[in-house]
Amino acid sequence: NAGVTQTPKFRILKIGQSMTLQCTQDMNHNYMYWYRQDPGMGLKLIYYSVGAGITDKGEVPNGYNVSRSTTEDFPLRLELAAPSQTSVYFCASTRPGDETSGANVLTFGAGSRLTVL
Amino acid sequence: GQNIDQPTEMTATEGAIVQINCTYQTSGFNGLFWYQQHAGEAPTFLSYNVLDGLEEKGRFSSFLSRSKGYSYLLLKELQMKDSASYLCAVFNDYKLSFGAGTTVTVRA
Repeated sequence: NAGVTQTPKFRILKIGQSMTLQCTQDMNHNYMYWYRQDPGMGLKLIYYSVGAGITDKGEVPNGYNVSRSTTEDFPLRLELAAPSQTSVYFCASTRPGDETSGANVLTFGAGSRLTVL
Repeated sequence: GQNIDQPTEMTATEGAIVQINCTYQTSGFNGLFWYQQHAGEAPTFLSYNVLDGLEEKGRFSSFLSRSKGYSYLLLKELQMKDSASYLCAVFNDYKLSFGAGTTVTVRA
């Protein structure tokens, strides 16, 4: 049981380049999320999805796009990288339901550290 | 909107007790979470409060007062490995919103 897997772990981009951060989970979770975390700060929600084919914006969606074609995968796309997108990106997933059964507890991937120069 | 406040830093001695407070003003509420995050790692789940009162899990306890928009995380018998950032987060409308985190440093 791998949980939430993110790739790549590290990446350096030049300004204006594009890339996709991959996220996959094998827990059959409906809900998936992308957060970014800047140094010394909390996590900011970029996009989220409550199921395949459904995505919605979080607090800081500008400069990013997502898709959710399957339950397992939730890739995050950066189209024109900017220095302000230098950050650590975390993907997370959970299942909805009664909290006594462990639902709504987010499981995080290990993170992807992105630097834009 | 979401406004979640917690202290930036706290320092305590090994074996002591530390209480991290969190206040929140959010547009809705379905539960309050505490996560632990060691430097360079992903957050890991500590506790979850939906109803008012105290939840105890070993050395860690979490308290919630929904009417006051207030929670605290209590860490007892501090160990060096407890040095980490502690994130308060509110779950609402399918989403988890985080505070900026409290960095706890445990000294010998």
